Amino acid sequence: KQEVTQIPAALSVPEGENLVLNCSFTDSAIYNLQWFRQDPGKGLTSLLLIQSSQREQTSGRLNASLDKSSGRSTLYIAASQPGDSATYLCAAAYNQFYFGTGTSLTVIP
Amino acid sequence: KAGVTQTPRYLIKTRGQQVTLSCSPISGHRSVSWYQQTPGQGLQFLFEYFSETQRNKGNFPGRFSGRQFSNSRSEMNVSTLELGDSALYLCASSLVGGIDYGYTFGSGTRLTVV
Repeated sequence: KQEVTQIPAALSVPEGENLVLNCSFTDSAIYNLQWFRQDPGKGLTSLLLIQSSQREQTSGRLNASLDKSSGRSTLYIAASQPGDSATYLCAAAYNQFYFGTGTSLTVIP
Repeated sequence: KAGVTQTPRYLIKTRGQQVTLSCSPISGHRSVSWYQQTPGQGLQFLFEYFSETQRNKGNFPGRFSGRQFSNSRSEMNVSTLELGDSALYLCASSLVGGIDYGYTFGSGTRLTVV
């Protein structure tokens, strides 16, 4: 069974700080890796999708990288804002998507 | 364009009852997947449908079933509800499959079993 791990489980930072969220996966033969954001009690909002042939994707203040050989992806958030507070989930695509348990981010004003 | 629509948003059922949840994917999307999210287990894959056929299935008991209609809308049914079935049920749609194009998720149906 594939495993996806996210560390740390929770993170609290002051507003304006740059931060990195980590995602590790056990099998490098992924099709793609997707980062999501989830607000309390809500569904998942897609942030970035990285295909297996790509190294990184950028959208606004967000940058996600993918290193298949080391089984790692990172989500970089620049100049964090209180509105970024949410749970961030990564999902690795094999024959199905396998989700990490998420990192709960709190940005303190 | 309209997103993924899940109905109802909230449900309260009694143990032993059955429930049906509905998901309308993004127009043109033919793949619909269902996930269960609980605080203890996180997001777990239930099944995926593509062009009215179940293409993949997770490790859930037979009480959990689904189907997809010709217009790509999907329903999920849970029979003989147990307290442990209380969860947020999320539906995700994709053009042909999440492994190719990623997923767009709906807002979910919050099921509470009492």
